[in-house]
Amino acid sequence: SQQGEEDPQALSIQEGENATMNCSYKTSINNLQWYRQNSGRGLVHLILIRSNEREKHSGRLRVTLDTSKKSSSLLITASRAADTASYFCATGSSGSARQLTFGSGTQLTVLP
Amino acid sequence: DAGVIQSPRHEVTEMGQEVTLRCKPISGHDYLFWYRQTMMRGLELLIYFNNNVPIDDSGMPEDRFSAKMPNASFSTLKIQPSEPRDSAVYFCASSASSGGSYEQYFGPGTRLTVT
Repeated sequence: SQQGEEDPQALSIQEGENATMNCSYKTSINNLQWYRQNSGRGLVHLILIRSNEREKHSGRLRVTLDTSKKSSSLLITASRAADTASYFCATGSSGSARQLTFGSGTQLTVLP
Repeated sequence: DAGVIQSPRHEVTEMGQEVTLRCKPISGHDYLFWYRQTMMRGLELLIYFNNNVPIDDSGMPEDRFSAKMPNASFSTLKIQPSEPRDSAVYFCASSASSGGSYEQYFGPGTRLTVT
């Protein structure tokens, strides 16, 4: 079942703008991860945030986690055309941290 | 490191035929996952192994699907007999328990088309 649901389903922005994607989930989690998938390729891990963390940064990526609202957001700052891809959140539950449930994804298009 | 290797990259077969997908995880990784991705259902976990032992196969859709991991460097996903609704991209991913990280490394996928 799809626990993580991303919002929006599709996002189109201009190069240089920031992109924000949201993820909601239903059950108690151990960790939440974000992955990127370029067209026709496998998924690439971007960042992981644990349930006891509220914010994490990695380069141009910023992830927040609100366990009370069961939601997370991924912010990509100063977007580039190369950021065009689908972005998925994935949750590892409290009972099985390594068994990930993926959301439906957000298709991000960055226009040059 | 070569990353996760999957073969074949593309497979076209007729309904009723047996299909075998192959995966070589990253050396040293002790977890291996098989996923299926479709437009309708998204990315679904089919089965995963820890130290070559199947841990959870509740995502395997039917008895037509089977997976094995005879050793730490090789796994197969078999569909017999195949049906058109099995058409999807199948991903293999691996993960290492050392270091306490849960991130998974995905292969390039096998695009299966069953006609």
